[in-house]
Amino acid sequence: GAGVSQSPRYKVAKRGQDVALRCDPISGHVSLFWYQQALGQGPEFLTYFQNEAQLDKSGLPSDRFFAERPEGSVSTLKIQRTQQEDSAVYLCATRGERNQPQHFGDGTRLSIL
Amino acid sequence: GENVEQHPSTLSVQEGDSAVIKCTYSDSASNYFPWYKQELGKGPQLIIDIRSNVGEKKDQRIAVTLNKTAKHFSLHITETQPEDSAVYFCAASGGKLIFGQGTTLQVKP
Repeated sequence: GAGVSQSPRYKVAKRGQDVALRCDPISGHVSLFWYQQALGQGPEFLTYFQNEAQLDKSGLPSDRFFAERPEGSVSTLKIQRTQQEDSAVYLCATRGERNQPQHFGDGTRLSIL
Repeated sequence: GENVEQHPSTLSVQEGDSAVIKCTYSDSASNYFPWYKQELGKGPQLIIDIRSNVGEKKDQRIAVTLNKTAKHFSLHITETQPEDSAVYFCAASGGKLIFGQGTTLQVKP
């Protein structure tokens, strides 16, 4: 497809389980961003990749959150030992050249029971 | 830290009227200001953006204005239509995007 693709669209997990969320970027897009969007709020920055290099992870809430992009294309956001406060929509966005806008996927809605 | 304030949080207008959403930002280094529209169950979709070297930009019924001195920027939608109903987010970037809290726009037919 032409856009940013995220999977799964919905994920339900029990507290304490590990989850992995996937982002397939627009072909050729160098930059990739992960955001967390709580209900009724704006997206909040989590982390940023340029190709395979993670250049900024200042937004990751705790060391339970880990992101990778090993080949500079697909990215995975992993959350270990999930907690109820991790429930949110996780959005991925990608960008081509630095002066181009970010394009968002439709997100993964994560619910922790 | 960096902050973007967005007002109002909800806005209801009659079809054909104009809608204005305002944002202020705190980081003087911000130089890029996009606006996104988000429909239920979808990701944010870029509708217009402006850079700090421009004071105003227009695209059909949508316009954005920027006042760098006051650190204000606004979205103007004219001749609103029911399909404009959605949540709108402003954002400011000097590196990474900082989003406002969103405005739920309802256009009544």
